[in-house]
Amino acid sequence: GAVVSQHPSWVICKSGTSVKIECRSLDFQATTMFWYRQFPKQSLMLMATSNEGSKATYEQGVEKDKFLINHASLTLSTLTVTSAHPEDSSFYICSANHIAKNIQYFGAGTRLSVL
Amino acid sequence: AQSVTQPDIHITVSEGASLELRCNYSYGATPYLFWYVQSPGQGLQLLLKYFSGDTLVQGIKGFEAEFKRSQSSFNLRKPSVHWSDAAEYFCVGKANTGTASKLTFGTGTRLQVTL
Repeated sequence: GAVVSQHPSWVICKSGTSVKIECRSLDFQATTMFWYRQFPKQSLMLMATSNEGSKATYEQGVEKDKFLINHASLTLSTLTVTSAHPEDSSFYICSANHIAKNIQYFGAGTRLSVL
Repeated sequence: AQSVTQPDIHITVSEGASLELRCNYSYGATPYLFWYVQSPGQGLQLLLKYFSGDTLVQGIKGFEAEFKRSQSSFNLRKPSVHWSDAAEYFCVGKANTGTASKLTFGTGTRLQVTL
């Protein structure tokens, strides 16, 4: 149990376009989800905390207008990278907080390449 | 400030040899502690966790970790490494204040297994 699905796993887009990444908790409800960014051979960097039914909380230095987060239901959070540029190319990972188990379960990640 | 330290960036062991990955934490109170593993290009999989109680915790894939309060450590061990264990390992801490509190990641240890 406790599966988190992230889609797509890999996306290539042109500079200036927007890309949406979905994160779903498949067998549990998650009022809180998290979005991370990971650069090659580095640890995960928390971008924002996504709360169901309310605005996301962004970490310092993360542009909220560029990385739009929506958490419209207890099982779905989306991250939209707006007006993507090559420097936004990265590996994006989501996690969902399982309240009863007090554990974050992670999606498999999305590799974004902006041309 | 809360922190998790993994002193070893890269470790190489022979298949069949024992493994110990080091982790030290710095928190005001005893945190919740986790070990996650990340295979190339993938999300994170939970190996084991420590919340309280027995200081020796067993996880999946034959891994175990020991919480030592006196040393502020939570080292991961495996008696006999398999080639499939080659991956990135993250020690992660979480303040025991609220179920949706943020995770603090160590920098990761990359494990290479030689045949």
